[in-house]
Amino acid sequence: AQSVTQLDSHVSVSEGTPVLLRCNYSSSYSPSLFWYVQHPNKGLQLLLKYTSAATLVKGINGFEAEFKKSETSFHLTKPSAHMSDAAEYFCVVTPTPDKFYFGSGTKLNVKP
Amino acid sequence: SAVISQKPSRDICQRGTSLTIQCQVDSQVTMMFWYRQQPGQSLTLIATANQGSEATYESGFVIDKFPISRPNLTFSTLTVSNMSPEDSSIYLCSVRTSSTDTQYFGPGTRLTVL
Repeated sequence: AQSVTQLDSHVSVSEGTPVLLRCNYSSSYSPSLFWYVQHPNKGLQLLLKYTSAATLVKGINGFEAEFKKSETSFHLTKPSAHMSDAAEYFCVVTPTPDKFYFGSGTKLNVKP
Repeated sequence: SAVISQKPSRDICQRGTSLTIQCQVDSQVTMMFWYRQQPGQSLTLIATANQGSEATYESGFVIDKFPISRPNLTFSTLTVSNMSPEDSSIYLCSVRTSSTDTQYFGPGTRLTVL
């Protein structure tokens, strides 16, 4: 069975401080893993994806994520939050290309 | 990547009516998908739109309620039939090209049913 758990429904950080959004997954296969971001009233934008080439994946806007097989985790990080990072973030596991399993989402609030 | 547009971007409809949402892609794509995002919720896959054949529906979704067409490799429609307030959601289409397992999403259609 496949599933993805985002451990925090809301995360609040101050501008300029690090961001950590946590994601754990379970999969019977070697999955691909993605992070998408959804700004208010906007569609989903791909941040980054992992497909077994390298465990540390760099994405857009300074975000990166590390795949840890032993911990079945794929946490999203950014060294320094910006006000424009305020949005909802979705972790996605896809054991096969046609099956996307979305996490419940984490709303990131960035305080000035 | 792919550039995806959806029409309408939003609509307010009366219960019992139907709404057809269009999804247009700027290039030919192998797979097209339709998702629903209920208020405050994550995304749920409704169906896979297959070119030249019937759509493949996920558990809990049926063709009579959500008929889908896909006449070619760049276009699909989703109809929400006999609407009730519970159908108020954002409906998103996504595409996947044959060369990648990444899905790219349209901007969504925000539907409110009164």
